[in-house]
Order: sequence, then structure tokens, then C-alpha cells
Amino acid sequence: KNQVEQSPQSLIILEGKNCTLQCNYTVSPFSNLRWYKQDTGRGPVSLTIMTFSENTKSNGRYTATLDADTKQSSLHITASQLSDSASYICVVSAENNNAGNMLTFGGGTRLMVKP
Amino acid sequence: GAVVSQHPSWVICKSGTSVKIECRSLDFQATTMFWYRQFPKQSLMLMATSNEGSKATYEQGVEKDKFLINHASLTLSTLTVTSAHPEDSSFYICSARLALGFDTQYFGPGTRLTVL
Repeated sequence: KNQVEQSPQSLIILEGKNCTLQCNYTVSPFSNLRWYKQDTGRGPVSLTIMTFSENTKSNGRYTATLDADTKQSSLHITASQLSDSASYICVVSAENNNAGNMLTFGGGTRLMVKP
Repeated sequence: GAVVSQHPSWVICKSGTSVKIECRSLDFQATTMFWYRQFPKQSLMLMATSNEGSKATYEQGVEKDKFLINHASLTLSTLTVTSAHPEDSSFYICSARLALGFDTQYFGPGTRLTVL
């Protein structure tokens, strides 16, 4: 069964600090991994997408890493801002040739950045 | 970039009434749309997959007669919650996929449903 586990479930940090969110997955066959940011009451917005051959990808203050061997990914947020307060969801896509949904969602990490 | 809209953004209804939620892909044609439900502090849970011009495929445990899905065009899918009850109160999010073989889903902003 395909699964995506995220840790921690929630995290509180002070503004300006860095943090790292973790994602472990057992999805096969692996296609790609995405990190989404979901503000309260809004739909998810894509931050990064990584394929099997990519180890690191950055989007501004967000840097995602992928270790396909250990099936782990991390999302590092640098110099956090109050607007970073949101849920961060790790989504892993499996290769699939039919019309079904290929995505497995993690439970998300709720980040709160305090002044 | 691909934009997906939902309408309404929030709705409050009485128990026993039906509510329709629209999902539109604004600048691309979506052969497949997905409907998710999200309860507080939980991640998205797939309810059904909707392909244009055909019947939706529902996930296990989702009542197809309660959650009616219509995907009449390549840019519009609707979810109707029939005879809504308070336990149906949730955040409903749709996503749209460009074509078969593409796994990128573009998410809508969500619809908050509150059933009194």
C-alpha cells in the first residue's frame, strides 16, 4: 500500500528562524514528489516538484531535498516569515498508465511562525 | 499558469437541503477532475475522480447517490451534496488534470460547507 508519512505533525518557530520538515514515503513505482503549501481555508499551492534524479530543488526560501534510495524528502524553510504559517503537504505521485489518481498525500505539517 | 476556480467559496445550508459546488478550469481543458474532502487538521481525502463525459469513479466509502458529480464539459465539474447533514460539513477541494498521462493536478481554492 502506498503511504506518505510526514513529521512533525505541527511545529512552532520564531520569525526569522529556519526549520526542516520531513517526508517518508513508500510509493511504487515512484514518479515524482511535490511539496505544497496550504494556507488555512485555501487550496494547496505547489512549492516544488522533484523527480527521481533530482536531489535538491529551491524555490526562494524553500529548499526541498530528495533521497530516492531511502525514500525520504525534506523541506527546509530559511529565515521564516509570519506568512509561512500554513500546512505543508508532501504528495508523492506513482507512475500510472490508467486514468486514475496517482497521488498519495501525506498528513501534512502545520507550521506556525510567531513574532 | 493553470488556474482552477471554485464557486461558492463558502456556503451555509440547512440540514436536508442540497448544495452544488462548481469547479472550473479557467485557462485549460481538463479531461479529469478530482474532488477531495478535508476535515479540520487533516489532509485531503480523495472522494471521486471525474472524467469528462463519463460517470465518476468514487473512492471506497463515498456514497455516489449522496455526492453527485457531473463533468459535462472539459472546463466544468460540479459536486452536489444531496440531503446534506451536519456531518457533511467540511472543506471541499477540487483539482483538474490536463490530460491522461499528465499527473500534475491544479487545485482550486476550496469551498467551505457548513450544514446547520
